[in-house]
This record gives sequence, C-alpha cells and structure tokens, in this order.
Amino acid sequence: GQNIDQPTEMTATEGAIVQINCTYQTSGFNGLFWYQQHAGEAPTFLSYNVLDGLEEKGRFSSFLSRSKGYSYLLLKELQMKDSASYLCAVKDSNYQLIWGAGTKLIIKP
Amino acid sequence: NAGVTQTPKFRVLKTGQSMTLLCAQDMNHEYMYWYRQDPGMGLRLIHYSVGEGTTAKGEVPDGYNVSRLKKQNFLLGLESAAPSQTSVYFCASSPGAGDQETQYFGPGTRLLVL
Repeated sequence: GQNIDQPTEMTATEGAIVQINCTYQTSGFNGLFWYQQHAGEAPTFLSYNVLDGLEEKGRFSSFLSRSKGYSYLLLKELQMKDSASYLCAVKDSNYQLIWGAGTKLIIKP
Repeated sequence: NAGVTQTPKFRVLKTGQSMTLLCAQDMNHEYMYWYRQDPGMGLRLIHYSVGEGTTAKGEVPDGYNVSRLKKQNFLLGLESAAPSQTSVYFCASSPGAGDQETQYFGPGTRLLVL
C-alpha cells in the first residue's frame, strides 16, 4: 500500500527554526509537495521537490532524498502566523497526489 | 481572479437526504478534483476530471457522483447522505497532471450529516 508519515504535532518558539519530517512509501514517484493549511482554511502550495537536494524559498526550505523516501520542510525565523498544519504529498506513478495526515505546528511566543 | 470557489460553505443534512456541492474555477484549468478531509487522515481523493465531459473515480468514490458539463464547473453529488459522509470537502484544480503541476484549492464545504 501507499503510505506517507509525518509527526502529528510539533511545538516551536517564535524566532526559532523547526524541521518537519515526512517519509513515504508510494507506487512510483513523480515529485513531492508541501502545503500549508491554516485552521479552517484551504491548503496552499509551499514547495515542490523532484530531484534530491535542498530547495530554498525565503524562510522556507524543503529537502528530498529519493533513495531514503524522505523529505523535510525547514522553517526559519518562525513567526506566529506560521502556526498551521503542514501537509506532505507525493505524486505517484498515476500522477495522483497521496497525502499525509499533516503536522500541526504550534508556535509559542 | 476568484481562483477556486465552492458553494455552500456549510450544510447540515439528515440521513438519506441528497445534495450537490458546486465547485467553480476561473483559471481555465483542465483538471479538477474533489477531496474529503477527516481528522487524523490525509486528504482523500473522491473523484476527479481531466477535462470537460470526463470524470474518473478516486480512492473513495462510493456514495458520491460527479459531473463536469462545463470546463469551469465540477459538481459533487450525494444521493443519499450517511453520517460517515460528515467531513470537510475540498475542490481543487490544476492546469494538468504533470510533475510540477500544483493543485489550487477552494475554501472547503463543511458537511454534517445527522
């Protein structure tokens, strides 16, 4: 079966750095996506990785290791507005997105 | 551009009632999707469409039907609602299904079936 694992919840301090991990087992791989979802709102696109390595976008970076079936999202200089759920999703061999359950990130002052 | 819109935002149904959820997008996207989101679970694909007049089943299609008569609209129908269909329903669209094609989501419809 297909499976995406992420921690259920994480807590971090404003101004700090947090790393959210995602491991996956899917039938095929055509890219990995990270989305942000604030409570009661729609998911919004954050980043995309298809090759191994680090993609940086301002305060957010995403890393991929295809051989390990592993990705992480790194958030720097945390702000209160970063409190949200972060969803990891993998595009499988049928180009369908398989979604993790999401990691709820709580930022404390 | 409004992006992806969904109506209604919230609905309460009794078991056995029917309803239709409407999704509209103004980005001229070919692909449209219906997902459900339940606590502790990832988004699950119900049905999707790769173009006007086409539909296909996703991971959890039972109890739902869809139609894509116009490119900009994707309708999700519940013929006889059940409490297990209580969920948040998200519609999404994308230009295509290629590697980098990002899905854009609507604001969601919260459905409670009593």
